[in-house]
Amino acid sequence: EVQLVESGGGLVQPGGSLRLSCAASGFTFSSSWMHWVRQVPGKGLVWVSRIDKDGTITDYADSVKGRFTISRDNAKNTVYLQMNSLRAEDSAVYYCARDNYDFWIPFFDLWGRGTLITVSS
Amino acid sequence: DIQLTQSPSSLSAFVGDRVTITCRASQSISRFLNWYQKKPGKAPKLLIYAASSLQSGVPSRFSGSGSGTDFTLTISSLQPEDFATYYCQQSDSTPRTFGQGTRVEIK
Repeated sequence: EVQLVESGGGLVQPGGSLRLSCAASGFTFSSSWMHWVRQVPGKGLVWVSRIDKDGTITDYADSVKGRFTISRDNAKNTVYLQMNSLRAEDSAVYYCARDNYDFWIPFFDLWGRGTLITVSS
Repeated sequence: DIQLTQSPSSLSAFVGDRVTITCRASQSISRFLNWYQKKPGKAPKLLIYAASSLQSGVPSRFSGSGSGTDFTLTISSLQPEDFATYYCQQSDSTPRTFGQGTRVEIK
């Protein structure tokens, strides 16, 4: 089955760290750029980060730059999001998503079900 | 960053109604515009990509149009399962910004 499954969420104190994982299956993971998107409950979708097929190109939203690090292990079909110096405003459901292309236009055609991060003392 | 503004923010319609949601970009993005459906507790679902291409498996009552800065998502005959929030997203540049969402309620 083609799917993405996130894990690693939970409750963490402000200033703490957490590493999210997203395990891919059913497709050639090493051929896909991958993204993280988050959603505060009751609010909209917000793009967080992306990584290229080889793990050499990464980008971040300004709100997480310098605190979050995206990486991947193609041997394990997994993409990670290392989150440091967490703040209350980072509390959200985090989704990983696969980038796909048609007519040279990219879109997220596969999403995980998300993992909830709560930053609170 | 490219800003996307959706309207309306919410709407209520009857089953069978035609529903239209608009998305306006702060600068021209050609056809680099995608639409997603989001239900509570579920993963977002791609409906339309490249402004007007229907994703495989998505009912044909969903359609998209537009280019440049103005885009539209249309549901030709609203069904009960279409209760959800709809988001546009631009993929012309990074960050891949989303609109603020349009919540669709069934009357």
